[in-house]
Amino acid sequence: DIQMTQSPSSLSASVGDRVTITCRASQGISNSLAWYQQKPGKAPKLLLYAASRLESGVPSRFSGSGSGTDYTLTISSLQPEDFATYYCQQYYSTPFGGGTKVEIK
Amino acid sequence: EVQLVESGGGLVQPGGSLRLSCAASGFTFSSYAMSWVRQAPGKGLEWVSAISGSGGSTYYADSVKGRFTISRDNSKNTLYLQMNSLRAEDTAVYYCAKDEVVVVAATPGRYFDYWGQGTLVTVSS
Repeated sequence: DIQMTQSPSSLSASVGDRVTITCRASQGISNSLAWYQQKPGKAPKLLLYAASRLESGVPSRFSGSGSGTDYTLTISSLQPEDFATYYCQQYYSTPFGGGTKVEIK
Repeated sequence: EVQLVESGGGLVQPGGSLRLSCAASGFTFSSYAMSWVRQAPGKGLEWVSAISGSGGSTYYADSVKGRFTISRDNSKNTLYLQMNSLRAEDTAVYYCAKDEVVVVAATPGRYFDYWGQGTLVTVSS
């Protein structure tokens, strides 16, 4: 199975900061990667798929990039509503990364 | 508007059984694969099981294979998860999710574009 290593596991940031989260696959996954946002007590929400395609309704400050085994989620200017936990997920055998909790500095 | 509403969670003793349901609306249910994803308290997400739109193909994580059975009733727009031989480590919030199945280089994969609100399963004596 393809394993996903997500980093960092947590970070502290301020409103307006640029935030980058990384996901590394144990083998190449051909951009077959999704990113989700989860707030406490809520279900995950799809943000991006195919590594860089923004889901309908998701703000443009979220973007994704990468290729092969290494992928990133970037929030260009962190907003108060963006404090949450983020997960990557590769499409095959569907394991998720361990998550990154974005907290207020 | 796509809606997924889970039910059937609760407290069950180790070794017991429980059946979860997920009522779907707002899309053509029979045209889409569906999955169950769980989250243990304070932990990350774990895919559990998936089923094709017709119900003819099913898939399971190794951690539940042989104990859990996924099924669907397309006439009722409802997804199910029958959980037997439950263990303490099955304690989690269980989410149903609508799959987007993608084929890349002849290899099928999936991601999840809609999720239910979840139902809590607690396995404890």
